[in-house]
Amino acid sequence: DTGVSQNPRHKITKRGQNVTFRCDPISEHNRLYWYRQTLGQGPEFLTYFQNEAQLEKSRLLSDRFSAERPKGSFSTLEIQRTEQGDSAMYLCASSSQEYGYTFGSGTRLTVV
Amino acid sequence: ELKVEQNPLFLSMQEGKNYTIYCNYSTTSDRLYWYRQDPGKSLESLFVLLSNGAVKQEGRLMASLDTKARLSTLHITAAVHDLSATYFCASWDTSGTYKYIFGTGTRLKVLA
Repeated sequence: DTGVSQNPRHKITKRGQNVTFRCDPISEHNRLYWYRQTLGQGPEFLTYFQNEAQLEKSRLLSDRFSAERPKGSFSTLEIQRTEQGDSAMYLCASSSQEYGYTFGSGTRLTVV
Repeated sequence: ELKVEQNPLFLSMQEGKNYTIYCNYSTTSDRLYWYRQDPGKSLESLFVLLSNGAVKQEGRLMASLDTKARLSTLHITAAVHDLSATYFCASWDTSGTYKYIFGTGTRLKVLA
């Protein structure tokens, strides 16, 4: 197991386009988290899955954002009708217990 | 709602000097996490502090936790240039999802 994998590493998109990111967690981890980090800020919680169930969504996650984790394995985060304010690093983390996140390398989104 | 504050936000120090970064959090929590982030990179776990009075050391970094004061410190001893990075502390939300709430980060620059 090589840790948490995120794809793509970088994404440049035009405003108004849809984008989808993928996260492959550590295989035995049942908890999966998405965070967003803008320049100069700490990561902000977006959403949480336990297995395939999405148990919490931040108010930061507008209607344009949707996340899935089919079969409790990989997860996708889709942003529809992207805006310049969506430009950020999107981080995925997984955990098997109440402590010990492992973060992926992140997907850097630039909306032009 | 859990809030995490760090200070200072920026720290410029000479090599060989000592300094401490402070992390305060607003609600009861029995654990605290420290991460390092290099520019454009994801987060690297430094310390997991799991109980009141916990102290952990790795190289020139030492972290401690006082759950009664809701305070954690990251002490840097005899700083070297390689320690230049942004350091984040995070507490965890014990309401059910165990999501981490991050501080705003301390950007450390060690001058040769």
